[in-house]
Formats: sequence, structure tokens, C-alpha cells
Amino acid sequence: GQQLNQSPQSMFIQEGEDVSMNCTSSSIFNTWLWYKQDPGEGPVLLIALYKAGELTSNGRLTAQFGITRKDSFLNISASIPSDVGIYFCAGQRTSGTYKYIFGTGTRLKVLA
Amino acid sequence: EAEVAQSPRYKITEKSQAVAFWCDPISGHATLYWYRQILGQGPELLVQFQDESVVDDSQLPKDRFSAERLKGVDSTLKIQPAELGDSAMYLCASSHPPSEAFFGQGTRLTVV
Repeated sequence: GQQLNQSPQSMFIQEGEDVSMNCTSSSIFNTWLWYKQDPGEGPVLLIALYKAGELTSNGRLTAQFGITRKDSFLNISASIPSDVGIYFCAGQRTSGTYKYIFGTGTRLKVLA
Repeated sequence: EAEVAQSPRYKITEKSQAVAFWCDPISGHATLYWYRQILGQGPELLVQFQDESVVDDSQLPKDRFSAERLKGVDSTLKIQPAELGDSAMYLCASSHPPSEAFFGQGTRLTVV
């Protein structure tokens, strides 16, 4: 099945550092979502974006809906150990079936 | 806080046996999704329901997988017969489109 490209694939950072990751697609989406998944658990929604150019924050997390509507970015400021996990983007076309297509994931490890 | 409920959390089954998973979406969510997530990858859509109707099952292996949502509320995903390659996390999500999807905790299936 189709999956969106996420980069980087994995990151090892020091506690307190900022983190940036992105998600790209060959198709246009009308909605971008960012999820965090802990081992053995389901994905938890972090941020939802609905308009091109939109910048939305949730605590230390900030996400942006790319102008081209083919990409999205997630930044985490001042990382802490509990930020460890896998971050997934998901794009949705608001036509047809409202299907969500997920990215390949970015695995984040935070070193204390 | 409303949640998507899934059961069981874990299932071990022998190959060629039948296995079933259950999902109860957030109340009022008309759209229900079943995703399969192989370790190290993003979730991939198996089947999507709008109320009781299937709107996308293009990636569902229909020779062995079946899904139903008879009353447009809870849903069951069945595999018969299970194969070793079916070992994965099976995730259920629900949404009130076109808004964001919320996931359950998933069912971890191991086929031996």
C-alpha cells in the first residue's frame, strides 16, 4: 500500500535539544495529522492541520502544513525523555472516502 | 474522555486457525477504519466503513480476511485461516469525517 515519506528515519538526540522532522507526498492533501506511538500501543493524535501554510502548536510541539500541500513538518522544542517514540504523519484527502495515508515513521530516542 | 475500545490486546494463534478482533468506536463516529501495522512500518488501511457500509477494502486480502459492522457501531475483523505473515498489530480507528481519526490500543497478533 501507499505510504508517505518521512525523514529522518531515526534520530538520537540529547535531552533539551530541538527536533525537526518532515513528511512528503507526491499527492496533495487537505488535512495533515501528526501522531506519536509508544511501543505496543496505538498512535495518539498530537496535532491536526487543515489549511495550507497553517502553523499550529501543542505545548512544545509545533507543526506546519506546507504551502504546496504536499508536505508537513513537526518540531519538538526542548526534548525530554518521554518524547521517545515513533512519530507518524498522516495525510487525508477530503474527497472520496476521507482515507488517511500514513508515513513511514520517525523513531526518536532521547539521551538523558 | 471517549476512547476507541479494542479487544483482545494480545492474541497468539496457530497458523490455519481462525482469529477475530473486535472494535467499539467513539460514540457518534460514523467512520471506522481497520489498519494493519507491521513492526517498523506505518499503519496501512485494510478496510474503511461509513456507517455499516464498506467504502474502501482495496487492500483487504479477501480470500482470508473479512470485516463487518452490522449495526453501524462496533466492528469485527476476522482472519481465516491465519498465516505466519499475518503477525502484526491490528489497529482500529474512528472519526467523524472530515475531522481527525482516533485510534484504539490495538491488538497484537502472533501467528505460530
